[in-house]
Amino acid sequence: DAKTTQPNSMESNEEEPVHLPCNHSTISGTDYIHWYRQLPSQGPEYVIHGLTSNVNNRMASLAIAEDRKSSTLILHRATLRDAAVYYCILRDRWNTDKLIFGTGTRLQVFP
Amino acid sequence: NAGVTQTPKFRVLKTGQSMTLLCAQDMNHEYMYWYRQDPGMGLRLIHYSVGEGTTAKGEVPDGYNVSRLKKQNFLLGLESAAPSQTSVYFCASSPTAGGATGELFFGEGSRLTVL
Repeated sequence: DAKTTQPNSMESNEEEPVHLPCNHSTISGTDYIHWYRQLPSQGPEYVIHGLTSNVNNRMASLAIAEDRKSSTLILHRATLRDAAVYYCILRDRWNTDKLIFGTGTRLQVFP
Repeated sequence: NAGVTQTPKFRVLKTGQSMTLLCAQDMNHEYMYWYRQDPGMGLRLIHYSVGEGTTAKGEVPDGYNVSRLKKQNFLLGLESAAPSQTSVYFCASSPTAGGATGELFFGEGSRLTVL
């Protein structure tokens, strides 16, 4: 199964942009890149996903490298409420069982 | 709209006792999952279901059983609890399979302690 590699932790100041990297060098052509985040004492919540093109939604942007071996989740203006663990996950187009979360990146946001 | 609801939210068991965690979703989702999360770790998939009456093993299925008798409910059972099963358990549901559209919706978690 294709796996992802993320830094264990990152820090940011409030209202600054945050770029959370994810490496997935063994990604297959049918793998979608998904991001979830987990706020303290809560279940994970969906953030964004994409296949090849960059994606934007109200929460974040996802920038995908041209070779798809890495991606970056971008929070345009970090807030204190964005402090969470961010998980980068690969999901095959069809398979539903191999949703492996890994340990993610713990983002700290300072006022 | 309640989404995904887990009961109970907290439970303390003694070694060898049995219990069942209930996950209920009101979104008519086909796919449901049970994960566990140990301190400082990511989520690990225990069992999952692709529809009513079906179940399948995930990464760490040993010591757990599941049932999906109704589409909206996914039960996780511990027949003989062990201290190694102390963890936070998360249930999730998804309307579709796969990466194209299969966003997972998670419950708030059930914290289980086995003494």
